Amino acid sequence: GESVGLHLPTLSVQEGDNSIINCAYSNSASDYFIWYKQESGKGPQFIIDIRSNMDKRQGQRVTVLLNKTVKHLSLQIAATQPGDSAVYFCAETPIPGKLIFGQGTTLQVKP
Amino acid sequence: DAGITQSPRHKVTETGTPVTLRCHQTENHRYMYWYRQDPGHGLRLIHYSYGVKDTDKGEVSDGYSVSRSKTEDFLLTLESATSSQTSVYFCAISESAGGSYNSPLHFGNGTRLTVT
Repeated sequence: GESVGLHLPTLSVQEGDNSIINCAYSNSASDYFIWYKQESGKGPQFIIDIRSNMDKRQGQRVTVLLNKTVKHLSLQIAATQPGDSAVYFCAETPIPGKLIFGQGTTLQVKP
Repeated sequence: DAGITQSPRHKVTETGTPVTLRCHQTENHRYMYWYRQDPGHGLRLIHYSYGVKDTDKGEVSDGYSVSRSKTEDFLLTLESATSSQTSVYFCAISESAGGSYNSPLHFGNGTRLTVT
């Protein structure tokens, strides 16, 4: 069945280091992917998205990489800061208008 | 925040009582959604709307109804709340159909509902 999963439930990094959060998706027909950040007590916040005709997209301190061969998505955060501590979700679109969300990875930033 | 207000932020109610959650947006987006978030399940779509008075079911719609009489407001009603509906409910909006390129969903800050 369709599923979007994350390899690690919790990622702990040192402040200033780079973080890499991974996501595996199962539907090869998915052509649009989104990363969200969710802080405690708040709703998911859009970070960055990527379409399947791209391998890489960069934002401010964040980069999303897409490997369609192995159905893998990653979010890289440069120079991780305490304010980056949150749960990060990936989401895929197997058919237009339908979003499937992963369950999330917790990022902990150590000072 | 994307101009989305959910009310109330917290609600405790008893089994069998009706409950209505409200979502208000100031972005004039056509699409609005209700999700629930539970440990181990992630975000699951309850209902969505693609225009005033135009709504459709999501994957977990049983026990829920919605209404959209104005572009800016989307209401979620639990006609007779059950303990299994204890959850955090999120409203989301998008300009085009969610999942369309360049049309990510933007979420409100949620309503925590407890059914005792």
